[in-house]
Amino acid sequence: AQSVAQPEDQVNVAEGNPLTVKCTYSVSGNPYLFWYVQYPNRGLQFLLKYITGDNLVKGSYGFEAEFNKSQTSFHLKKPSALVSDSALYFCAVRDILTGGGNKLTFGTGTQLKVEL
Amino acid sequence: DAGVIQSPRHEVTEMGQEVTLRCKPISGHDYLFWYRQTMMRGLELLIYFNNNVPIDDSGMPEDRFSAKMPNASFSTLKIQPSEPRDSAVYFCASSLGQGRTGELFFGEGSRLTVL
Repeated sequence: AQSVAQPEDQVNVAEGNPLTVKCTYSVSGNPYLFWYVQYPNRGLQFLLKYITGDNLVKGSYGFEAEFNKSQTSFHLKKPSALVSDSALYFCAVRDILTGGGNKLTFGTGTQLKVEL
Repeated sequence: DAGVIQSPRHEVTEMGQEVTLRCKPISGHDYLFWYRQTMMRGLELLIYFNNNVPIDDSGMPEDRFSAKMPNASFSTLKIQPSEPRDSAVYFCASSLGQGRTGELFFGEGSRLTVL
């Protein structure tokens, strides 16, 4: 079975400071990992993904994430936060070994609040 | 492409009434997913289809819920009879399979309130 954990319900950061939103995963085989963002009253939007290759992946809006196989983590990062980054962030995993087609398992979400 | 289109965006109904939510996936996508989002339970996968065939409906809460995909461009999620605990935002998402990496494209959601 595949699962993902987001240990923080909320992360607060000052604008201009770096931000990190944490995610750890559990899969039987090798993972495909994703980050999605949800703004109020909107659907989830794809931010970035790790499939294979370079452990540091870059995505939309200046976000990046680092895949760490030994720690089974995929933390989302941004060097300088903006107030407009305030949103709900979801980590998701797909186990490429098991069946289930394109079924993703989502974490519980982390509310990011960036303040002036 | 217009993206995943859901209707209605908002629905307010009374307990016991039938509710039908609709979804048009992105053209060419062969996977379609229905999710439910609530404060208490977060994002839950209800059911998903591959090439219009239901693959996994283990997330459907009970027999009051049913979903169909009569063709590649349309799916419905029906609740009959509806109950107040069904109040949630229901999302439809689609994706490309066939060895692709499987990122999902979500609609804007249908916010259901059952009184």
